Amino acid sequence: GDSVTQMEGPVTLSEEAFLTINCTYTATGYPSLFWYVQYPGEGLQLLLKATKADDKGSNKGFEATYRKETTSFHLEKGSVQVSDSAVYFCAFKTSSNTGKLIFGQGTTLQVKP
Amino acid sequence: DAGVTQSPTHLIKTRGQHVTLRCSPISGHKSVSWYQQVLGQGPQFIFQYYEKEERGRGNFPDRFSARQFPNYSSELNVNALLLGDSALYLCASSNRDARDQPQHFGDGTRLSIL
Repeated sequence: GDSVTQMEGPVTLSEEAFLTINCTYTATGYPSLFWYVQYPGEGLQLLLKATKADDKGSNKGFEATYRKETTSFHLEKGSVQVSDSAVYFCAFKTSSNTGKLIFGQGTTLQVKP
Repeated sequence: DAGVTQSPTHLIKTRGQHVTLRCSPISGHKSVSWYQQVLGQGPQFIFQYYEKEERGRGNFPDRFSARQFPNYSSELNVNALLLGDSALYLCASSNRDARDQPQHFGDGTRLSIL
């Protein structure tokens, strides 16, 4: 069935370190891919998206490239800040159910000064 | 512009009771989806409504129901509450019912069952 697998957390980094959070998906149909971020006590905020193969989504220094051949959508940032500490969710939806996002389990990022 | 708003923010109920959660989508958004997020996990899809019709339903029991009103706001109802229903309930809206449209989330309703 449809699913998303994210790397286990927590990921602990020092400020200005390089970040990668791995995400792979299994989808029946052609998915659009999304990264969401959740700060403590809040809902989810859309971070970036990509809707077709080889698209690169980017926002606030974060990037992810839609890799159809490896069914992956890894999140990267060149230099993390303490304010980036949050839970990051990889998700997708397909044409067969456009109102349903399939989420991974989330990856907690802790950035230390 | 106001984002997705949900009410109440917190709710405490006891087993067997009934609860109604409310959601107002972003102005102009006609699609509303509901999710349940248990602590430490990703959100799980419950329902989607578009133009007041149910478009999708997740793997939840019949105790869960929802509806959408003419102004596109929505309610999620849960009957006969169980301890396992304790979770953050998220509402999300989108402009169009399409694969490439992102969903925008509210801050959720935290439901605790005693």
